[in-house]
Amino acid sequence: RKEVEQDPGPFNVPEGATVAFNCTYSNSASQSFFWYRQDCRKEPKLLMSVYSSGNEDGRFTAQLNRASQYISLLIRDSKLSDSATYLCVVELPPGGYNKLIFGAGTRLAVHP
Amino acid sequence: EAQVTQNPRYLITVTGKKLTVTCSQNMNHEYMSWYRQDPGLGLRQIYYSMNVEVTDKGDVPEGYKVSRKEKRNFPLILESPSPNQTSLYFCASSSPGRLPYEQYFGPGTRLTVT
Repeated sequence: RKEVEQDPGPFNVPEGATVAFNCTYSNSASQSFFWYRQDCRKEPKLLMSVYSSGNEDGRFTAQLNRASQYISLLIRDSKLSDSATYLCVVELPPGGYNKLIFGAGTRLAVHP
Repeated sequence: EAQVTQNPRYLITVTGKKLTVTCSQNMNHEYMSWYRQDPGLGLRQIYYSMNVEVTDKGDVPEGYKVSRKEKRNFPLILESPSPNQTSLYFCASSSPGRLPYEQYFGPGTRLTVT
């Protein structure tokens, strides 16, 4: 079983739609969680962190469910510019910035 | 401008011909790392460095070497490249103690080994 699993998609949605991605992780002791965004053939960039209480940044909402070991990303009012691959990232114990595990990514395509 | 740079951006080479991919950051970050990205597998860590002269293996170190003689530079060396090292390579840097441990990535190096 992969340490971090994501549905590869693609998710094809019209502008204005709401779309949600899930990501599951295998190590229950994982401490920190993130979503990164990667445009085609470009470098990944941090989109947002995922906190136990959930967090929101504009149209983006991230949630963590430790009991079920999954994190989610919700995008409301999708824009064409949201088209990208979204990488789920988990920090493995014992913690520290040297062990981030990246999922293979979920591709989102927003169309007019 | 704060950035991570990699060179070359694209490289086609032949099996066995030694090559070096350079990585440099201007943010005074202690931590640097190399990843490779392959379809369906996500980013996998090759090597990382916690500071000057401190390096350690990641998940897929076989066939690679690194060095960290200066804080800003972290070159990736392929002593004898093979076709299975054809991949997209990213260098990244970050600073310890900064939540959420945001890693800054270079633009990537697309390597093809024939």
